[in-house]
Amino acid sequence: QVQLKQSGPGLVQPSQSLSITCTVSGFSLTSYGVHWVRQSPGKGLEWLGVIWSGGSTDYNAAFISRLSISKDNSKSQVFFKMNSLQANDTAIYYCARMGVRHAMDYWGQGTSVTVSS
Amino acid sequence: DIQMTQSSSSFSVSLGDRVTITCKASEDIYNRLAWYQQKPGNAPRLLISGATSLETGVPSRFSGSGSGKDYTLSITSLQTEDVATYYCQQYWSTPPTFGAGTKLELK
Repeated sequence: QVQLKQSGPGLVQPSQSLSITCTVSGFSLTSYGVHWVRQSPGKGLEWLGVIWSGGSTDYNAAFISRLSISKDNSKSQVFFKMNSLQANDTAIYYCARMGVRHAMDYWGQGTSVTVSS
Repeated sequence: DIQMTQSSSSFSVSLGDRVTITCKASEDIYNRLAWYQQKPGNAPRLLISGATSLETGVPSRFSGSGSGKDYTLSITSLQTEDVATYYCQQYWSTPPTFGAGTKLELK
């Protein structure tokens, strides 16, 4: 069955970077894209970026200077990295598969990230 | 960016009610509209894509309708497990954007 499992830290110091790995199973990253979305009480659900099946990426313009998404198809892993985190980046970060109709049809369990010293 | 407006942030419902949740886009999104259900502590779950297509495993009491800028999620005969927050999302243009959510609460 389709699964996305996330791993990453729960606590990040201000100005440091956040790295999360999304390991997928039940489908191939060469056939499906993967989105990254975050959720915070203040801003709701916010799209961060996507890596397409072919490897190209699109980023939310608000984060383009500090966000990077990459993948390793052979390991079925997608890598998310955001730099220069501040307190308002505190949120739950999700990876989600892009379904055939381009909606987000399967989601990871989420990584709860707190930015604090 | 396309703005997605869900007219109600929350409302009280009773079991067995027919519930209608509305979502309005700031421009035409050509049915590129998804509905998600989220329960506390869980990731969102895709219910409907393409404005009207029910995902596999989603109960048939859920349905979607609409076109252009205006879309609706309906739940016939609300069940206990349907008490959740519902989000609409457009994927017509980048960036994909979400509504602020509509939380259903039992009376």
